Amino acid sequence: SAVISQKPSRDICQRGTSLTIQCQVDSQVTMMFWYRQQPGQSLTLIATANQGSEATYESGFVIDKFPISRPNLTFSTLTVSNMSPEDSSIYLCSVEISLYEQYFGPGTRLTVT
Amino acid sequence: KQEVTQIPAALSVPEGENLVLNCSFTDSAIYNLQWFRQDPGKGLTSLLLIQSSQREQTSGRLNASLDKSSGRSTLYIAASQPGDSATYLCAVGFTGTASKLTFGTGTRLQVTL
Repeated sequence: SAVISQKPSRDICQRGTSLTIQCQVDSQVTMMFWYRQQPGQSLTLIATANQGSEATYESGFVIDKFPISRPNLTFSTLTVSNMSPEDSSIYLCSVEISLYEQYFGPGTRLTVT
Repeated sequence: KQEVTQIPAALSVPEGENLVLNCSFTDSAIYNLQWFRQDPGKGLTSLLLIQSSQREQTSGRLNASLDKSSGRSTLYIAASQPGDSATYLCAVGFTGTASKLTFGTGTRLQVTL
């Protein structure tokens, strides 16, 4: 398993601003993922972040809106840019430990006013 | 399109009852299936991982089964307790995109005293 932490745990932001979410894992992992969970809905994959390469975004998500950094094997950041109320969601990072098994962080609850 | 569906969307049972949660997927070419628990406003806790070559996995009072040919998985919870109240999510790693989990819609479980 892995211990994953996220900062901040929650935030309330004004529209038009940006928020950077941090994800830290207690061991070195190759693959990290960022998911979004909109209110009352299930999780949707935003992008896959591998160390040393550009993040790979899923359909409907673009780098200009959700820039991602992956500077080393234990850390990643997701920025939500130019926020609107529709970006209010829980954002979760996950890591792949073995055999495609994923472990998730506690999430960041974002409210955009 | 690869989709994952969970039925029922919500379930309320009295304490002590055994229960079954269902997960179905549209493509039998899966690599693995993972069951998660999510408490309100929180991240995901991994419960069980079943590889495509396995038929079931057990952990304590939880038992997950997998039938690839019918595109179904079940999560059996024995002797339910109020602490089991949460949303249960199944997530499928389809062959070829195994790292990109496709999540079901979730079953919200309430265990009453």
